[in-house]
Amino acid sequence: ETGVTQSPTHLIKTRGQQVTLRCSSQSGHNTVSWYQQALGQGPQFIFQYYREEENGRGNFPPRFSGLQFPNYSSELNVNALELDDSALYLCASSLRGRGGYTFGSGTRLTVV
Amino acid sequence: GQQVMQIPQYQHVQEGEDFTTYCNSSTTLSNIQWYKQRPGGHPVFLIQLVKSGEVKKQKRLTFQFGEAKKNSSLHITATQTTDVGTYFCAGPGGSQGNLIFGKGTKLSVKP
Repeated sequence: ETGVTQSPTHLIKTRGQQVTLRCSSQSGHNTVSWYQQALGQGPQFIFQYYREEENGRGNFPPRFSGLQFPNYSSELNVNALELDDSALYLCASSLRGRGGYTFGSGTRLTVV
Repeated sequence: GQQVMQIPQYQHVQEGEDFTTYCNSSTTLSNIQWYKQRPGGHPVFLIQLVKSGEVKKQKRLTFQFGEAKKNSSLHITATQTTDVGTYFCAGPGGSQGNLIFGKGTKLSVKP
C-alpha cells in the first residue's frame, strides 16, 4: 500500500504571494487533514476534509483554504503569504472513525 | 482553550538507560495518540490508547493512559540510538479531525 505523498518538498515564496501544496492520501483512506508545524513545535491543526467537504477547522484565517478531490487527494492553498507562514506543512490521511493518522513527509515552505 | 502539555522538553540519555515522557491534558480525553518524529522527518503513528488505565506494550515501549483519562506516559526501556527523535502525544480537540499535539519531548541517545 502506498503512503501519503506530498509535493513539492520545499518551496520559497515572497510575502504576499499565493501557494498551493498537494497531497495524495494513503490508499483506502477517505479523510485528509492538514497541519502546520513550526520549528521546535508540535503540529497545529489547520483543517480536515471528508467527502470533499471541510468538516473541521482549527484557528487559522480564511486565507488558508483547501480542497479534497474524488480520489481523496487534497490541496492546501494559502493566499497573501506572511513571513510567519514559514513552516513545515504536513498532510495526514486516515480512515474516518479509526485512530491514527498517516503523515506525509511534508512541504517545507519558506516565506521571504 | 484545550491544552496538551508534555514534560520534559528535552532528555539526554546514555544508550541502555531508560526514558519516560509524560503528557497531561487540561480536559478529559476520549483517546490519546503517540507519534514519533525523527530529526528532519515527519510524525509516525505509534499507538492509540482508549480505555481508562490502559497499558500497552510495543517491544521496549510501554504506553499508559491514566485512570482519569487526562494523562499518559511513554516509557522506553534500555534506549538505543534508533530511539532518537521527538515523541509527541496528541488528543482530540473540539473540532472534527482536530488532534491537539503537545510540544513533544526530544530524546537524544549517546552511544
